[in-house]
Amino acid sequence: GNSVTQMEGPVTLSEEAFLTINCTYTATGYPSLFWYVQYPGEGLQLLLKATKADDKGSNKGFEATYRKETTSFHLEKGSVQVSDSAVYFCALRPSASGSARQLTFGSGTQLTVLP
Amino acid sequence: DTEVTQTPKHLVMGMTNKKSLKCEQHMGHRAMYWYKQKAKKPPELMFVYSYEKLSINESVPSRFSPECPNSSLLNLHLHALQPEDSALYLCASSQLVVNTEAFFGQGTRLTVV
Repeated sequence: GNSVTQMEGPVTLSEEAFLTINCTYTATGYPSLFWYVQYPGEGLQLLLKATKADDKGSNKGFEATYRKETTSFHLEKGSVQVSDSAVYFCALRPSASGSARQLTFGSGTQLTVLP
Repeated sequence: DTEVTQTPKHLVMGMTNKKSLKCEQHMGHRAMYWYKQKAKKPPELMFVYSYEKLSINESVPSRFSPECPNSSLLNLHLHALQPEDSALYLCASSQLVVNTEAFFGQGTRLTVV
């Protein structure tokens, strides 16, 4: 079956530090890969996505590259801000067409950025 | 409009009550989902609807009863819940094509007393 393994948290960084959150996956074919962010008391928001190998998703200074050879989709940001404090979920969606294909989530990584 | 709207935002109910959670989207998505999320955990899939028909039930207890009256609306009827059912309930929707993301609502924070 499909699975997503995500870096254990929590992660605490100082403002302007470099962020990496590791994510690896197991799936057949070519799934789509996503990073979702959840701020306290809110639902999940799509942060970025990539749909094929070597695609780079980017948004709000965050980036992640779909690496088929290492089955990875690591999230990076060059300079984090206090407002980036949230829980980050890596997720995949299978590539089979025609039916509702549900997301498989990683365990989530709590990020706290200190001023 | 890329919103999924859930009501109510907060709900406190007793174990003998009957209540409903509502979800609405106007993006033309033909797949809609209910997830349950406990604190510090990822969302767990409960139900999936495709073209207004239930396609996946992840062995959810019958005290949770989903309903999809039309392509824009999704309900979750609650009856005789237990305190351990207290959680954030998230609705999501997506297109039924490859390479598309799911959009999530803000969730309903449910407390069973």
